[in-house]
Amino acid sequence: SYELTQPPSVSVSPGQTARITCSGDALPKQYGYWYQQKPGQAPVLVIYKDSERPSGIPERFSGSSSGTTVTLTISGVQAEDEADYYCQSADSSSTYVVFGGGTKLTVL
Amino acid sequence: QVQLVQSGSELKKPGASVKVSCKASGYTFTSYAMNWVRQAPGQGLEWMGWINTNTGNPTYAQGFTGRFVFSLDTSVSTSYLQISSLKAEDTAVYYCARSAGYCSGGSCYDWFDPWGQGTLVTVSS
Repeated sequence: SYELTQPPSVSVSPGQTARITCSGDALPKQYGYWYQQKPGQAPVLVIYKDSERPSGIPERFSGSSSGTTVTLTISGVQAEDEADYYCQSADSSSTYVVFGGGTKLTVL
Repeated sequence: QVQLVQSGSELKKPGASVKVSCKASGYTFTSYAMNWVRQAPGQGLEWMGWINTNTGNPTYAQGFTGRFVFSLDTSVSTSYLQISSLKAEDTAVYYCARSAGYCSGGSCYDWFDPWGQGTLVTVSS
């Protein structure tokens, strides 16, 4: 079955830039999407179609895509950005949805 | 505003059934598909499948066939997830999430926004 691979954890100091990657063979054909999940809360969409930002999401959140990897970048990380981040995409034939395993972002 | 409100936590014994509801508001219910996502304790997100809110036709992901049933009541803009023959490993938070994507040129692209607040289902004797 198709898988998306994320690093289990990323740590950054406040004000620095965090980059979280997500790799999958179908990503050249499919968009990547990113969700933020804080403890005890439902996931929230922060990036869609690789790099689009929903209304209400701070500008410090951005996304990019290159080959088989999509990347979520958080510029000027703030303490409130500490959360789990999940990428999501689909298989090349758009048959099923898949989530990455999640990345825990720690703000030091 | 667009909102999905789920039913409350459930505690069930092994072998029992549970039905989780997801009430939509703030948009035309039948214009967007509804998805279900499972999150076991301390684990990641797992897509269970989706239901076409126009036709009621469900699609189940691998591993969620047989005991899992998606249904609708369009008169009250509500989606349901029913799980039968509950097992301890079904203990998880279950989320409904509205599809926000589209199909174009023979390909479909889908993402989820918004999500319900989640329903914790605990299976324990």
